[in-house]
This record gives sequence, C-alpha cells and structure tokens, in this order.
Amino acid sequence: GQQVMQIPQYQHVQEGEDFTTYCNSSTTLSNIQWYKQRPGGHPVFLIQLVKSGEVKKQKRLTFQFGEAKKNSSLHITATQTTDVGTYFCAGQGTYKYIFGTGTRLKVLA
Amino acid sequence: GAVVSQHPSWVICKSGTSVKIECRSLDFQATTMFWYRQFPKQSLMLMATSNEGSKATYEQGVEKDKFLINHASLTLSTLTVTSAHPEDSSFYICSVPGQAYGYTFGSGTRLTVV
Repeated sequence: GQQVMQIPQYQHVQEGEDFTTYCNSSTTLSNIQWYKQRPGGHPVFLIQLVKSGEVKKQKRLTFQFGEAKKNSSLHITATQTTDVGTYFCAGQGTYKYIFGTGTRLKVLA
Repeated sequence: GAVVSQHPSWVICKSGTSVKIECRSLDFQATTMFWYRQFPKQSLMLMATSNEGSKATYEQGVEKDKFLINHASLTLSTLTVTSAHPEDSSFYICSVPGQAYGYTFGSGTRLTVV
C-alpha cells in the first residue's frame, strides 16, 4: 500500500538556523498537505500543494512539491522557538490522505 | 475553515468498559469525518471514514466491532471503543474536510485504559 516517509525523524537546531524536512511517497500523489502539531496538541493545517513543481511561501516557511509529485519539502528560514513541534506531510493517493512519519523539531534558544 | 469540537479531551476507564468519543462540526455540515489514532511520538493512523447516514469504512486491520462509529447527523460523529483494554490507550483524533481544502482536526481525546 501507499507509504509516506519523512526525514529526518528528529531535528534539533539553534534558534536562527534553518530547518528542512523531506517527505517521500511510494506512489504518485494528486496533492500533498502539510500540518504542524505542537506538543500535546492536534495537527493544524498549513498548506496544500497540487501542481508538479509547485512552490509556496508562508512568511519564513517555503513548501515545494516535486516534479514527479512523489516528494515534497518544507523549509523554515531562521527558526524561532515558536516553530517547535512535529511537522507532518499528508499525501493524497486515491481518495484518502496518508500521513507521513513526521519530523520533530526542537529549537534551542 | 471548519470548527471542530471533540469531547472528552481525556478519559481514564477500567479495562473491559466502553468509552464514547464525540466529534462535532460546529459550523460545517460534514457528510464525511475521519477518525485517527496516534500513539506517542508516532504518526496519525487513519482508522475509519465516518459517513453520514451509512456505515463507516474501516481501514485494514481495524476491528469494526471494537471501534463502533456512528454518524447520525451532518454535525456529529461518535467513536465508541468497546471492551477497552490497556493496548487501546492512545490519542484519538477526528477530522473534518475543509470547505476549500485542508482538514480541520478536533482537539483529540487521550484515552487511558487501566
């Protein structure tokens, strides 16, 4: 079945450093979504990417969708302590979304 | 986006008892809702798709008789964990499709079975 993997599993960065998480699907996706889950909280929708090669920006966050629509990345520039949490991608294959394994980000002040 | 309310936030129950979790879409009529389970420090695993007025669609490996789902109205879906055991202890979260795109998640229910 469809699998969605994310790397790295964990990332500790110094405040102000950049951070990137990568999402890879075993199958071609119709679209991909990104979510952020704070410790103890629930996932919050960040963005959806649909087109091959699409790039979207939200302030310090840059999201990319690969040309083959099987991978995606989230890059955070100059991390802040408020960026702490787990970032999940969720890829839509047929009708349902499969969540990636997640990347836990810790930002050291 | 949709506003989703989930109750209870946490529950502790004795082994062998049943627990009901409610998921309400407060401002959006949801014909479909999704139920996920999340173990500590792990990803969200889709358990089932709740369909208003019809039977839920369960993912492979999820026991239908153990995790009863009812979606009687366009604003309410319930998940009942029957005859709960310690291994059922987990974080259960519902979600509702957004009006445009994206999913809105409930605040989750932390179930502890003792």
